[in-house]
Amino acid sequence: GAVVSQHPSWVICKSGTSVKIECRSLDFQATTMFWYRQFPKQSLMLMATSNEGSKATYEQGVEKDKFLINHASLTLSTLTVTSAHPEDSSFYICSARTANSPLHFGNGTRLTVT
Amino acid sequence: GENVEQHPSTLSVQEGDSAVIKCTYSDSASNYFPWYKQELGKRPQLIIDIRSNVGEKKDQRIAVTLNKTAKHFSLHITETQPEDSAVYFCSFSNSGNTPLVFGKGTRLSVIA
Repeated sequence: GAVVSQHPSWVICKSGTSVKIECRSLDFQATTMFWYRQFPKQSLMLMATSNEGSKATYEQGVEKDKFLINHASLTLSTLTVTSAHPEDSSFYICSARTANSPLHFGNGTRLTVT
Repeated sequence: GENVEQHPSTLSVQEGDSAVIKCTYSDSASNYFPWYKQELGKRPQLIIDIRSNVGEKKDQRIAVTLNKTAKHFSLHITETQPEDSAVYFCSFSNSGNTPLVFGKGTRLSVIA
């Protein structure tokens, strides 16, 4: 079945630094990947849709200059949290699907900003 | 915007009993309705999905029903076991590469 790999699985960083999270589709080409964020005991909230070769589409309230998304190839999308603050601490999960197939999630990245 | 209401937010059942979680969605164009199970600290796992041309689908102890007219869909778990304890999310989308919209989740506890 389709596999989505996400790295790192957890990261601790200091306030003001940047963190990059990678999402790879291992056995299929994903022209579109989705980035979700999940705060403790809450649901998954869509942050942005990552489109290969073009700009990402951000959901309302998500700062595109803070959460930089790059989808340079059909198998890789990256999310960079710039100038991270403690309130950015969360569980970030990428996902991908091919047309008419289930959504496959990466293992998620737990970000802690101190 | 598109949204989905999920009830209940928490559910406790005795082992062996059935559990039912219900969702109501807003977008009449939605045609894909997956359910995900998420254990603590882990990624959501697809457990069952249904498309709009089907009213019911069953996979062993898990079943999903869809009422497109009322825009309701439900997850049914029979003969619950302690390992069914987790958070369950309903979701929906249109076909193609549109993102899923998730419900707020239901925390299911199966008491042995």
